Amino acid sequence: SQELEQSPQSLIVQEGKNLTINCTSSKTLYGLYWYKQKYGEGLIFLMMLQKGGEEKSHEKITAKLDEKKQQSSLHITASQPSHAGIYLCGADRRGNQFYFGTGTSLTVIP
Amino acid sequence: DGGITQSPKYLFRKEGQNVTLSCEQNLNHDAMYWYRQDPGQGLRLIYYSQIVNDFQKGDIAEGYSVSREKKESFPLTVTSAQKNPTAFYLCATQDSYVANEQFFGPGTRLTVL
Repeated sequence: SQELEQSPQSLIVQEGKNLTINCTSSKTLYGLYWYKQKYGEGLIFLMMLQKGGEEKSHEKITAKLDEKKQQSSLHITASQPSHAGIYLCGADRRGNQFYFGTGTSLTVIP
Repeated sequence: DGGITQSPKYLFRKEGQNVTLSCEQNLNHDAMYWYRQDPGQGLRLIYYSQIVNDFQKGDIAEGYSVSREKKESFPLTVTSAQKNPTAFYLCATQDSYVANEQFFGPGTRLTVL
C-alpha cells in the first residue's frame, strides 16, 4: 500500500475554475513537499510545509498542512492551461529516504 | 549553468542487454537518488547515496546497480536481470539529508525492445 495517498488520481477542469488536490498519510509527516511535473519531464519543486497548520502560497497555488500533520491540500485558484501536468506530494521518511504519492494528473481545458 | 543533467533523453535497448543511465550534478549536493516512474504508480526509489563511495538500496533495487565514485556523478545500470525495465527514470539530488527538497533532472525514458 502507498504511504502517501493522493486524490483524485486525475482531474479535468475548465479554465478559470478552482480545484483542490489532497495528499494523505497514515503517519505524521515531518516535511511535506509538493512538486509539479510536465509530461515526460523532471519534477519542479513548488512548496514545502513542515509545521501543523502551515499554509504557503505561490502565485495562484496554495498548499496547506493540517494540524495533525497527516494531510495536505493543494489548491489552485482560477486555473490556466499552464497549470496542467502531474502534481505529486512527497515526504521525508524520518532517518531514511524520501517517498512520493502516486500523483494527480491535471488537465485544464481552455 | 547549474543543475542536474541526465543522458540520454531517450534510450532503446534490446532485451538481455545491460544499459547505463547517466546522472551528473554541479549543485555540490551530497545526496543523490534514482527513481523509477511508471504510469499510475508515482515514483519508486531504486538506489540512493548520501556520500561518495557509499550507496543504499531503495524499495525496488533488484536488477539495478549503481556506483558513486565522484560526488558529481551517480550512474545507474539497468541489468538484464530487471524483469520489466521499460520506464521513465529520474535522478535527484538533495543538499542535506533532513528537511530539504530534492532537485530533479529531466529524466531518461528507457524502452526495451
